Amino acid sequence: DVKVTQSSRYLVKRTGEKVFLECVQDMDHENMFWYRQDPGLGLRLIYFSYDVKMKEKGDIPEGYSVSREKKERFSLILESASTNQTSMYLCASNAGTGVNYGYTFGSGTRLTVV
Amino acid sequence: GQNIDQPTEMTATEGAIVQINCTYQTSGFNGLFWYQQHAGEAPTFLSYNVLDGLEEKGRFSSFLSRSKGYSYLLLKELQMKDSASYLCAVGSNSGYALNFGKGTSLLVTP
Repeated sequence: DVKVTQSSRYLVKRTGEKVFLECVQDMDHENMFWYRQDPGLGLRLIYFSYDVKMKEKGDIPEGYSVSREKKERFSLILESASTNQTSMYLCASNAGTGVNYGYTFGSGTRLTVV
Repeated sequence: GQNIDQPTEMTATEGAIVQINCTYQTSGFNGLFWYQQHAGEAPTFLSYNVLDGLEEKGRFSSFLSRSKGYSYLLLKELQMKDSASYLCAVGSNSGYALNFGKGTSLLVTP
């Protein structure tokens, strides 16, 4: 069974901490994505990567960075966590075009910044 | 950019049929997806349309009209487990990422 695995289901961090959210996929997908999901706002794209060491900003990259050193792993970094980054974070991957354009999602990380 | 609209909430009765609409405005188009998301869980793939017309998959069907920028998801023989959020997502031919609507929360009542 193919999977996208996010390392933590729930996290509580303090304001100002550096936070790492990890995502690993076992499908050999080229593309990986980080979204945040908030009530009333839906899924918003933070960053994505189409290849190792390549990254592109999404719609709301401020306050975040990413790292993709290996094809299977895509990390989201909150450089200095703030309370407005409390959210559900979803990682996804896909293979390319057509129906494969559709995402496989991880189970999500619910981050609370206090 | 893209603008994707869908109703915020809908309620329907068990055994009935419900249609969830999605309209979109996009500078390019490379397919429309529907996802189902139960509370506290990740979205799961339901359907994909890239050409005009109806795609049927069991109790679920999805329709696309590219000229109208319109899609709908049709759920038949509703079951209580169909209570979930339904996300419409559009791919553009200028990028890799999908853009999502805000989701429609469907409540199925007995």
